Parts: sequence; structure tokens; C-alpha cells
Amino acid sequence: RKEVEQDPGPFNVPEGATVAFNCTYSNSASQSFFWYRQDCRKEPKLLMSVYSSGNEDGRFTAQLNRASQYISLLIRDSKLSDSATYLCVVNRRGYQKVTFGTGTKLQVIP
Amino acid sequence: EAGVAQSPRYKIIEKRQSVAFWCNPISGHATLYWYQQILGQGPKLLIQFQNNGVVDDSQLPKDRFSAERLKGVDSTLKIQPAKLEDSAVYLCASSLDGTVRYNEQFFGPGTRLTVL
Repeated sequence: RKEVEQDPGPFNVPEGATVAFNCTYSNSASQSFFWYRQDCRKEPKLLMSVYSSGNEDGRFTAQLNRASQYISLLIRDSKLSDSATYLCVVNRRGYQKVTFGTGTKLQVIP
Repeated sequence: EAGVAQSPRYKIIEKRQSVAFWCNPISGHATLYWYQQILGQGPKLLIQFQNNGVVDDSQLPKDRFSAERLKGVDSTLKIQPAKLEDSAVYLCASSLDGTVRYNEQFFGPGTRLTVL
């Protein structure tokens, strides 16, 4: 089983829709979690950290479920500019040992 | 603030040749990462430095890959000899302190390597 797993998609959604992605992790010792965004042929950039209590940043909401070992990202009111690949990142062992998921591709359609 | 610098941006070599990549992290960042990203996959961590010490190199193919960060600032990643399966984008990232629980990684533009 992969350490971090994501559905590669693509998720094709119309503008204005709400879309959610999940990311599962296998190691219960994982300590910190992130969502990064990567545009085509560009470098990844931090979208948001995922805290135990969940957190929200505008149209984006991230949740952590330790019992089931997954994190989620919810995007409300999708914009064309949200089209990108969303990478899940998990750190363990003293906040190091970084593992990226394969990414979930989102395409927002006009 | 200047971002993470990498060079070259593109490199084409033949198999069995050698290649080196250079990375200059954001000033003051203690942690430096090298990743390999194959098309359609997420970045795979090759090596992580904290200042000039290696924190994690468990996924670095040490028979052909080497990396150094001698003065705790810039870093080089070398492949010798290259194989076809090394074709990928090599990303360098830095963070202020990779030992804290939540630390943001800042990525450079990457070096796109093609091995023929």
C-alpha cells in the first residue's frame, strides 16, 4: 500500500460547483499535513496546512480525520482559475520524512 | 524577496553521461530538499538537508546519485551515469526550518532532464 494515496482524477466540474478531494495516508505516526497546488509545468505552491481542528481559507476548507487516516480538501464556488493538480503532503517522524501524493487533477469547465 | 533559484532549466543528455544541477535556496532557510517528479506523478523526495547535514536520503539511488550542501547554503545534485528512467523534473525546495511541525516549502522552477 502506498504511504499517501490520492485519486488522480481528472475531476471535471462546472464553474460554481463544489468539489471535494480526499487523501489517505497509511502511517498512523504522521504528524503534519498539507495541500499544495501545482499548475501545469509549474512548481508546487502551498495552498494550505491542515490542522487537527480543520481550517478554512476563503472558498477552501481542509479537514483531518485521524481515525480513518485521511485528509480532505473542499472547494466551494469553483473558478476557472482553480484548474490545477492538488497534491497532498504528509510529514512524519519529527515533522520530517516528507511524502507527496500523486496529485488529483481538477478541471473547472465554463 | 528572491525565490529559490535553480539551473539549468533544461538539460538533454545521452544515457551513461553525467549531469549536475544547482540550487540556491531562499536566504536564511535552513532546510533544503531535492525532489524528482516524473510526468504524471507527485514529487518524490530524494534528499533533505538541515543546514549542511543530511536528514533523509532514504530514497536517493546512491549508486548513481549524489548531493552536497557543503556550506549550508546552495546545493548540487549529480547523476552519474544517467539512465533513461532518470528523465524527470528535478525540483529544489527550501523551508525556514524543516524540523518544526508546520513549515512551508518554497519550490524553485525545476530542471527538466531528458535522457536519450
